[in-house]
Amino acid sequence: DAKTTQPNSMESNEEEPVHLPCNHSTISGTDYIHWYRQLPSQGPEYVIHGLTSNVNNRMASLAIAEDRKSSTLILHRATLRDAAVYYCILSGGYQKVTFGTGTKLQVIP
Amino acid sequence: EPEVTQTPSHQVTQMGQEVILRCVPISNHLYFYWYRQILGQKVEFLVSFYNNEISEKSEIFDDQFSVERPDGSNFTLKIRSTKLEDSAMYFCASRGLGLAKVGSSTDTQYFGPGTRLTVL
Repeated sequence: DAKTTQPNSMESNEEEPVHLPCNHSTISGTDYIHWYRQLPSQGPEYVIHGLTSNVNNRMASLAIAEDRKSSTLILHRATLRDAAVYYCILSGGYQKVTFGTGTKLQVIP
Repeated sequence: EPEVTQTPSHQVTQMGQEVILRCVPISNHLYFYWYRQILGQKVEFLVSFYNNEISEKSEIFDDQFSVERPDGSNFTLKIRSTKLEDSAMYFCASRGLGLAKVGSSTDTQYFGPGTRLTVL
């Protein structure tokens, strides 16, 4: 499985934007970049995914570097409900999802 | 919005007993998965299932585990003789056929809320 590297933890003030980085220097051409998050005592929740171009949805934006070796998940206005562990995962096709330790995001009121 | 559901939310069992964890995947999905998360640890893959057969399984998924899609809607995980170390959250996931445009949600896995299994 292609490996990703994320900071263990980050803090953000409520209602400010949050940029969560992810490095994936060994990404292959067929790997999609997926982001999931896991709120306390809940199952992983899909956030966003992309291949080469930047992507936006109602939850977040995903900025992908031109060489695809890194990406950034952007939460435009952090709320207390966004406090969670965020996982950056490379996945192609119908394969299993391999979770790392992710980034624990703390949102400060 | 369609979602994966799991029952029960919490199962307590005695060591050596059989348990069946149930999942109802999203209705038009074709790929099904089980994962588990021991308290304080990473989410771990157990097994994937497609076209009524296992497509991949991890080292964790030994002979004590089995999966089944008994009808058109349920997907179950059975543990034949539970051990203390089987205590964990078990998550079911499902995925559609894919091939959708990038950024849409049809080619990614959706997870259920989990069943907390406690083996005493």
